[in-house]
Amino acid sequence: GENVEQHPSTLSVQEGDSAVIKCTYSDSASNYFPWYKQELGKRPQLIIDIRSNVGEKKDQRIAVTLNKTAKHFSLHITETQPEDSAVYFCAASYSGYSTLTFGKGTMLLVSP
Amino acid sequence: EPEVTQTPSHQVTQMGQEVILRCVPISNHLYFYWYRQILGQKVEFLVSFYNNEISEKSEIFDDQFSVERPDGSNFTLKIRSTKLEDSAMYFCASSGATGTGNWGYTFGSGTRLTVV
Repeated sequence: GENVEQHPSTLSVQEGDSAVIKCTYSDSASNYFPWYKQELGKRPQLIIDIRSNVGEKKDQRIAVTLNKTAKHFSLHITETQPEDSAVYFCAASYSGYSTLTFGKGTMLLVSP
Repeated sequence: EPEVTQTPSHQVTQMGQEVILRCVPISNHLYFYWYRQILGQKVEFLVSFYNNEISEKSEIFDDQFSVERPDGSNFTLKIRSTKLEDSAMYFCASSGATGTGNWGYTFGSGTRLTVV
């Protein structure tokens, strides 16, 4: 089955800096790669996703890049703000309707 | 914005007791899921449900677990005889809006199950 590795486990940045979180996956059949933000005690919320026919997708301060050959994808957050502090999970699946396999999460801490 | 609704938000139960966790998925979604998250760990897949039957289940989803869609709106997870290690946050999710090409899950706010 699919295995998703996520790094780093913790990331501390100063407000205004950029943050990058990286994930690798094992199953070359995976086509869908969402990123979720989870605040303490709350539900995972989809912040951005990318399908395998696209190499990059951007939404304001957030971008995701995908390298299918190398089987890795990354989340980029620019101009970080304290409210970006949360745990971020990457995931992979065959489609948006299929089982999601999650990474272990990255705790992002943005200091004012 | 449509939401996935879960009840209760917190359930405390004694070991060996049965619990039923309830979910109301988004009305025009076709795929329903249960995931769980042990405190401080990653989200793990339990089961997916489509067209009134289980489409996939994980190793975690053993004979103690069952799911049901008793009517057109509710989707339930039953744990027959709870164990201490079942303590976790259980998330319901739905995806696959009819008539759209939208991918992506919407998660409910979760039920925190504590087995004592």
